[in-house]
Amino acid sequence: EIVLTQSPGTLSLSPGERATLSCRASQSVSTTYLAWYQQKPGQAPRLLIYGASSRATGIPDRFSGSGSGTDFTLTISRLEPEDFAVYYCQHYVSSPFTFGPGTKVDIK
Amino acid sequence: EVQLVESGGDLVQPGGSLRLSCAASVFTFSTSGMHWVRQAPGKGLEWLSYINRDSTAIYYADSVKGRFTISRDNARTSVFLQMNSLRDEDTAVYYCTRDGYDWGQGTLVTVSS
Repeated sequence: EIVLTQSPGTLSLSPGERATLSCRASQSVSTTYLAWYQQKPGQAPRLLIYGASSRATGIPDRFSGSGSGTDFTLTISRLEPEDFAVYYCQHYVSSPFTFGPGTKVDIK
Repeated sequence: EVQLVESGGDLVQPGGSLRLSCAASVFTFSTSGMHWVRQAPGKGLEWLSYINRDSTAIYYADSVKGRFTISRDNARTSVFLQMNSLRDEDTAVYYCTRDGYDWGQGTLVTVSS
């Protein structure tokens, strides 16, 4: 089973600042099979990034994904008020298709 | 964009059963793999189960294997999750998702005596 670890657990930043979120896998993950989601309170998750670096439909270009192997990064170039949320990574390499524990981005 | 609507969540006693349904709005449902994911109160996302487009590949998380069964009916553009032997720790909001691209709004399952 591939275990995903996300860091930091909480990221406290101000609007306009850059956010860098990390997702580390316990074994190599093909970039094809790594996704990032955003979730706000009371809402379903929303796909941000698939294939490690491809933005989903309608996702602003301030969101970008990168990485390979066991280390992946989600970057939000300039935080907007609506970006304060919890972010999860997930792999689709093989079952179980586990999620990371999440990183909460909150307002400093 | 595919619209997904879950239903079937309820309050159930430990040891009981529930069947969740997820109805999709478009006929291209039959070409997509579908997942169930849950979120316990105040916790993160937990992947539970996957079924491919023609039901020839089915997977489960260890936490539900042997208790939950995923199925689909392409003619009805729906996917189901039969949940048996429910435990307190199964209390969560249950989401269906089309390979992560589209998500339903979730349905709440509460297991309590």
